[in-house]
Amino acid sequence: GAVVSQHPSWVICKSGTSVKIECRSLDFQATTMFWYRQFPKQSLMLMATSNEGSKATYEQGVEKDKFLINHASLTLSTLTVTSAHPEDSSFYICSARGVGSGGSGYTFGSGTRLTVV
Amino acid sequence: KNQVEQSPQSLIILEGKNCTLQCNYTVSPFSNLRWYKQDTGRGPVSLTIMTFSENTKSNGRYTATLDADTKQSSLHITASQLSDSASYICVVNPHTGTASKLTFGTGTRLQVTL
Repeated sequence: GAVVSQHPSWVICKSGTSVKIECRSLDFQATTMFWYRQFPKQSLMLMATSNEGSKATYEQGVEKDKFLINHASLTLSTLTVTSAHPEDSSFYICSARGVGSGGSGYTFGSGTRLTVV
Repeated sequence: KNQVEQSPQSLIILEGKNCTLQCNYTVSPFSNLRWYKQDTGRGPVSLTIMTFSENTKSNGRYTATLDADTKQSSLHITASQLSDSASYICVVNPHTGTASKLTFGTGTRLQVTL
């Protein structure tokens, strides 16, 4: 079945620094990747949708200059939180969809817990 | 407005007991409905996927039902185990395209105790 690997699983960074989160589809080509954030006891909130080779589409209220998304290949998308602040602390999850074995579904990564201190 | 509502918000049951989680949606158009299990601190894992024409779908001890007329779905868990403790999220997909955005319910937090 489809597998999406997300790395790192957790990260602690200082306020003002940038953090990069990677999301890889291991056994299928992810034509579309979705990035979500999730606050405690809440459901997933879509931040942006990215298609391979094109600019990401951000949801209303999400700062594109703060949350940089790159989807340069069919197996890798990255989310960079720039100039992180404590309010950016959250659980970030990617999801991939595409072609190949099992890739037609929405497969989620295991999430990244970001803590900004 | 597209919405997915789940009930109850939280549930505590004894190990070995059965339980049923509910999902009502107003998403339109409708392509399919998915149930996911999310362990604390992990990403969601798919349990079942049902299209408009499917009424029931099973995956081991998990059985999902769908009534597309009333826009309701349920997830029944049989003979619960401690490892079933997690959040269960009902998700509706409005389109079949690869960039279709999912609409998430707020989830039901299930705790299975001894």
